[in-house]
Amino acid sequence: AQSVTQLDSQVPVFEEAPVELRCNYSSSVSVYLFWYVQYPNQGLQLLLKYLSGSTLVKGINGFEAEFNKSQTSFHLRKPSVHISDTAEYFCAVTLIQGAQKLVFGQGTRLTINP
Amino acid sequence: NAGVTQTPKFQVLKTGQSMTLQCAQDMNHEYMSWYRQDPGMGLRLIHYSVGAGITDQGEVPNGYNVSRSTTEDFPLRLLSAAPSQTSVYFCASSPGYRGGTYGYTFGSGTRLTVV
Repeated sequence: AQSVTQLDSQVPVFEEAPVELRCNYSSSVSVYLFWYVQYPNQGLQLLLKYLSGSTLVKGINGFEAEFNKSQTSFHLRKPSVHISDTAEYFCAVTLIQGAQKLVFGQGTRLTINP
Repeated sequence: NAGVTQTPKFQVLKTGQSMTLQCAQDMNHEYMSWYRQDPGMGLRLIHYSVGAGITDQGEVPNGYNVSRSTTEDFPLRLLSAAPSQTSVYFCASSPGYRGGTYGYTFGSGTRLTVV
């Protein structure tokens, strides 16, 4: 079975600083990878996804992520954050073949300080 | 607007009561699922369905029941509510076995408190 580990439960950064949210996954077969964002008191919104092809994927709001198969990682980055990026971020995987079940990491709470 | 609709948004139950959380989607998605979100634990899969008449258990199915009589609706039933079921519940849908390529659409959630 696949699993996801988000290495930081909380990440505080200053506005306009760069940020990296770390995600590692475990699976014996190929997976698709996703990052979701949850703003306070809202549902989940898709930020970006890796399906195949280029290992660097770009998403909404200036976020990007890099798939590293050898390190089984899918870290999320943004070169300059804004107050509005304050949210919880979830990494998730699903198997390419078989039941389409999304498995989530524990989440990383990103707090932007002025 | 197309999407996933969950009702109610908030609910308070007494221990032992039963209730149904409603989920409906109008995108003709084959795949629907229910998650619960608890602090520090991310989202955990309760039950899922790959089409009308087909359901299966996820990671934390105990105390919950589902059915899928139509493509559009996927209700979640709490048979006898317990305080451990206090959580935020999310319904999600995707377009089927190729749904992974499109991602999942989530409802806005139901915040349930069991006292």
